[in-house]
Amino acid sequence: AQSVTQLGSHVSVSEGALVLLRCNYSSSVPPYLFWYVQYPNQGLQLLLKYTSAATLVKGINGFEAEFKKSETSFHLTKPSAHMSDAAEYFCAVTITGGGNKLTFGTGTQLKVEL
Amino acid sequence: EAGVAQSPRYKIIEKRQSVAFWCNPISGHATLYWYQQILGQGPKLLIQFQNNGVVDDSQLPKDRFSAERLKGVDSTLKIQPAKLEDSAVYLCASSFLAGANTGELFFGEGSRLTVL
Repeated sequence: AQSVTQLGSHVSVSEGALVLLRCNYSSSVPPYLFWYVQYPNQGLQLLLKYTSAATLVKGINGFEAEFKKSETSFHLTKPSAHMSDAAEYFCAVTITGGGNKLTFGTGTQLKVEL
Repeated sequence: EAGVAQSPRYKIIEKRQSVAFWCNPISGHATLYWYQQILGQGPKLLIQFQNNGVVDDSQLPKDRFSAERLKGVDSTLKIQPAKLEDSAVYLCASSFLAGANTGELFFGEGSRLTVL
């Protein structure tokens, strides 16, 4: 079965600083990987996805992630944090033929400070 | 376009009582999912429907949880009797095609259950 591990349940950055949220995956077959964002009292929203095309994936709100097979990683980055980025971020995985059944990580709460 | 609608948003019950949550997916979305999100954890899939048929309910505690999607549109998730450990947010999501593997699930705002 596939899984994802998110390192760091809480990350705090200053406004304007680099955002780096870590996700490592485990899968016996090529995975499809996703980042979702959850703002307070809202549902999850797809931020970006990797589905075996380009390894560097760009998403909404200036976020991007790079699929690195050698490191089994799919870290989420943003060059300059904004206060509005404060939210919880979830990494998720599925596999070919997985029918969109996503397995989520435990989430990383991002705090952005002035 | 209307999003995924869920109700109620909040529910507080005593243990051993029953509760039901309702979800109306985005129009035209064939696939509907119920996820359980316990505080501090990621969402866990409880059940997946394709139209009105169950695709996967392997993680649904069937002794107390039940779900239906009778006409292939809206869905109800029921818990009876509730236990303390059922306190969680119940998220409903929908997608257009399950087989597309796009990962693009559209989530509702969730129903927060507190069991006392």
